[in-house]
Amino acid sequence: ETGVTQTPRHLVMGMTNKKSLKCEQHLGHNAMYWYKQSAKKPLELMFVYNFKEQTENNSVPSRFSPECPNSSHLFLHLHTLQPEDSALYLCASSQSRTSIDGEQFFGPGTRLTVL
Amino acid sequence: QKEVEQDPGPLSVPEGAIVSLNCTYSNSAFQYFMWYRQYSRKGPELLMYTYSSGNKEDGRFTAQVDKSSKYISLFIRDSQPSDSATYLCAMTRNTGNQFYFGTGTSLTVIP
Repeated sequence: ETGVTQTPRHLVMGMTNKKSLKCEQHLGHNAMYWYKQSAKKPLELMFVYNFKEQTENNSVPSRFSPECPNSSHLFLHLHTLQPEDSALYLCASSQSRTSIDGEQFFGPGTRLTVL
Repeated sequence: QKEVEQDPGPLSVPEGAIVSLNCTYSNSAFQYFMWYRQYSRKGPELLMYTYSSGNKEDGRFTAQVDKSSKYISLFIRDSQPSDSATYLCAMTRNTGNQFYFGTGTSLTVIP
């Protein structure tokens, strides 16, 4: 595997379910990010981890819970979601939070549908 | 007012055309400007990255930044069907700060 991988690629869940999204980066990076991409809206930054420490939480509801056990893996735990949470969830990584070239490498995303 | 405004399109052009994609922004503190390309069912990938004002060229792609007008552009010369994708602009104040993205412009290049 190369780059940034995400599983599952598609997820359908009910509002009472608990599920987790997984992201793994094979680039040796130290910063990882969760973004939400909804139709006709800009990418919304949700969480940032730098060297396994959460450095940013952009007022994300508590029904989204991130976990970063090491610099290569990032999880997003989901519980009691709402239909408006249906979106593409993108994971990204960069060399570090202060990378001079600014490049973030994105995974293919998980398409989440909440019924 | 949104931080970044981008016309969502869709934009449809014949193969070989010159394509112009644009974003405007409101925060004069932005210094780093990026263009990402996103193919269907894929994550965004960085195309061009510029710092402050000026032009940057990479093959058929040219990025322009006009900080006085708070306006950035991406030009694609000799467009190809493989350029069909959604193009996202992004910008940030400084390294380590949050990226602000546009909504993306959907481009289709017709053979």
